[in-house]
Amino acid sequence: DAGVTQSPTHLIKTRGQQVTLRCSPKSGHDTVSWYQQALGQGPQFIFQYYEEEERQRGNFPDRFSGHQFPNYSSELNVNALLLGDSALYLCASRSHRARGQPQHFGDGTRLSIL
Amino acid sequence: QQQVKQSPQSLIVQKGGISIINCAYENTAFDYFPWYQQFPGKGPALLIAIRPDVSEKKEGRFTISFNKSAKQFSLHIMDSQPGDSATYFCAASKRHAGGTSYGKLTFGQGTILTVHP
Repeated sequence: DAGVTQSPTHLIKTRGQQVTLRCSPKSGHDTVSWYQQALGQGPQFIFQYYEEEERQRGNFPDRFSGHQFPNYSSELNVNALLLGDSALYLCASRSHRARGQPQHFGDGTRLSIL
Repeated sequence: QQQVKQSPQSLIVQKGGISIINCAYENTAFDYFPWYQQFPGKGPALLIAIRPDVSEKKEGRFTISFNKSAKQFSLHIMDSQPGDSATYFCAASKRHAGGTSYGKLTFGQGTILTVHP
């Protein structure tokens, strides 16, 4: 039973470019959340998708956008990259119906902006 | 009002000792408090979680103590082992408006635990 998988594991971009990160949720999960973890900090919530719609959003600019597909997988898109966007991007999944079921995290995509 | 404050920033414990990490929150709407363990190069993994209707929860060597009136909760690791060396995060969440689903996790800043053999 595969857990949450993310791709790519590492990515290097330059300022101003655009990036797409991908996430496949754990089997049986239908809700996907994205988090940004700067070095030495706790993860910060970006947004959550359920039924292909953004359900909650954290304090991130519109440069951060996402998508959820019918198979529950998800993408995180970041436009006009800034140096400050360098971080570990984590995807977490859970089942919407299972009250109290914890979020399961993937191992993240390490994004470096030069 | 969404903050979760965690202390200490780092902790060094001898093998067999007790590791204690503390967190405080402000938002009284939070009603789910998990602790996550993160190893270098890995994503956070759930250790143990508690809801505010109980004051303590124990799973193996890990115990959460919860003080609702003080808006504080703590993680105790008994008989700490070198393999416990990792970064620990407390977090808090609340029901998403209009539904039963828990969404956003608000994390503390993390505690780097080192257990010496």
